[in-house]
Amino acid sequence: NAGVTQTPKFRVLKTGQSMTLLCAQDMNHEYMYWYRQDPGMGLRLIHYSVGEGTTAKGEVPDGYNVSRLKKQNFLLGLESAAPSQTSVYFCASSRPDVYSGNTIYFGEGSWLTVV
Amino acid sequence: DQQVKQNSPSLSVQEGRISILNCDYTNSMFDYFLWYKKYPAEGPTFLISISSIKDKNEDGRFTVFLNKSAKHLSLHIVPSQPGDSAVYFCAAPGSGNTPLVFGKGTRLSVIA
Repeated sequence: NAGVTQTPKFRVLKTGQSMTLLCAQDMNHEYMYWYRQDPGMGLRLIHYSVGEGTTAKGEVPDGYNVSRLKKQNFLLGLESAAPSQTSVYFCASSRPDVYSGNTIYFGEGSWLTVV
Repeated sequence: DQQVKQNSPSLSVQEGRISILNCDYTNSMFDYFLWYKKYPAEGPTFLISISSIKDKNEDGRFTVFLNKSAKHLSLHIVPSQPGDSAVYFCAAPGSGNTPLVFGKGTRLSVIA
């Protein structure tokens, strides 16, 4: 069972470079999310999507863009990478009734270093 | 303004003893609370949840207690095992039906 798959798993970028993180889920979930995890900061929501073609900002959206062209994919883009974006990025997906206590499912993470 | 707070960054417990991880929240409108477990180099995985209409939910060695008047919940692990060593996140649906908000996590170390 693939679940939520993130690519690439590791990447080193130079300041100012751009890149895209790809997330794919095979659970037919409506909702998808991008979180970042930093030491001492927990998991912070960057952007999320409640359906194909829709996106919304989370807690820390600045410096990132997202697209949800297909239901199963959610792309996170960094247009001009900064050292402050060095982090571990987690994609997740869920059913719409997440607010009723149903869980969200996470990918294994993408380690991004900006030098 | 953190809505979900885990004030203990780390906890160390001996194998076989009880582990108690704490979480405080500020929004009394939260309907559900969830605990996630995260091992190094892996994504977080769901552990246990509790509805706001309950004060306790148990699943094997894991029990979550909710004290609504104190806006506090806790996760009890009994008995603790070395495989329980991980980071534990408390989470709740955000305000206005926004996605889950997470605490900063507590790193549990179970010492054999």
